Amino acid sequence: RKEVEQDPGPFNVPEGATVAFNCTYSNSASQSFFWYRQDCRKEPKLLMSVYSSGNEDGRFTAQLNRASQYISLLIRDSKLSDSATYLCVPRENNDMRFGAGTRLTVKP
Amino acid sequence: SAVISQKPSRDICQRGTSLTIQCQVDSQVTMMFWYRQQPGQSLTLIATANQGSEATYESGFVIDKFPISRPNLTFSTLTVSNMSPEDSSIYLCSVAGRSSYNEQFFGPGTRLTVL
Repeated sequence: RKEVEQDPGPFNVPEGATVAFNCTYSNSASQSFFWYRQDCRKEPKLLMSVYSSGNEDGRFTAQLNRASQYISLLIRDSKLSDSATYLCVPRENNDMRFGAGTRLTVKP
Repeated sequence: SAVISQKPSRDICQRGTSLTIQCQVDSQVTMMFWYRQQPGQSLTLIATANQGSEATYESGFVIDKFPISRPNLTFSTLTVSNMSPEDSSIYLCSVAGRSSYNEQFFGPGTRLTVL
């Protein structure tokens, strides 16, 4: 079993759509969780940290379920600029494990 | 977040040669990380570099192949030695953020092609 599993997609959605990504992780000792986005041929950039109680940042909502070792990211009102690969990243101490990512394409 | 620069941004190298990649951060950081991202794949940690101590390598990566220097708190280098086409990849340096969540921030990467 992979340490971090994500649906690779691609997810092709129209502008304005709501899209959700899921991620499961195998290391129960993971302490912090993040979503990164990576544009084509660019470095990963932090999108948001995921808090235990769930958190929202504008159109983005992240949820964490420690019991099920599951993280989700919801994007509302998708924009063309949201097109990217979204990486799920659990962390234990200084050890960050990157998922392979879910590719999102938002179309006009 | 820290501002991180890498040199070179890209290079095309011949088999059997070595390339040293530089990573510069605009603030002092304790830990720096080197990752590799092969085409179509996610990031794989090569090693963690602390100033004043030997780098810690992940399984599958060895110092002879990927020597790392960390001479001060704002700079590190990664050398890819005796390159083969399998080393063609993007190499990224990263530093930990200052929040309690210890998120990481990445440099722009070095795109290496080995012929």
